[in-house]
Amino acid sequence: AQSVTQLDSHVSVSEGTPVLLRCNYSSSYSPSLFWYVQHPNKGLQLLLKYTSAATLVKGINGFEAEFKKSETSFHLTKPSAHMSDAAEYFCVVRSSEGSQGNLIFGKGTKLSVKP
Amino acid sequence: DGGITQSPKYLFRKEGQNVTLSCEQNLNHDAMYWYRQDPGQGLRLIYYSQIVNDFQKGDIAEGYSVSREKKESFPLTVTSAQKNPTAFYLCASSLDRGRPSTDTQYFGPGTRLTVL
Repeated sequence: AQSVTQLDSHVSVSEGTPVLLRCNYSSSYSPSLFWYVQHPNKGLQLLLKYTSAATLVKGINGFEAEFKKSETSFHLTKPSAHMSDAAEYFCVVRSSEGSQGNLIFGKGTKLSVKP
Repeated sequence: DGGITQSPKYLFRKEGQNVTLSCEQNLNHDAMYWYRQDPGQGLRLIYYSQIVNDFQKGDIAEGYSVSREKKESFPLTVTSAQKNPTAFYLCASSLDRGRPSTDTQYFGPGTRLTVL
């Protein structure tokens, strides 16, 4: 069965320092992977997605993620954090078993940015 | 201005009452979805619809019902049979389902339901 694990429930960084949010997935197939961001009491916004093209995926707001098949990882990074990046981030894998197209969500990583 | 709208933003309900959450999209998407979000957890799928007049149960459908009479609309009813309905409810849509190139899901702003 497919699954996704976000390794940190909470990450805290200082403004201007790099951001690393870690995600590992489990999949028998070549997966489609996504990162979504959610600000408090808001819906989810798509940051980026990987669908078996380039392994380094660039998203919005300066975020990017690298697909590493050998490590089954899809970590999200940003070179320099802004205060506006404070939010919850979800790593998501698209199911290719059973109900194809359904999304499997990680439990989320809350990012705090200190001034 | 294209997108997905959900109303109301906040909803309060007395125990034992049914309540209906609205979801509308003007993206011309065929597929629509309802998710439930609880603190510290990822989203869980309640129902989805691939096309008008068709819908399927997700992982936690018990105590919920949906309809899909129009392409643009996918209302969710939380019935009195739902044991713990207090949660944040999110609606999403995608162009279609089943193909990675076209089934990316886009989300509405959510409705927070509180049962008193």
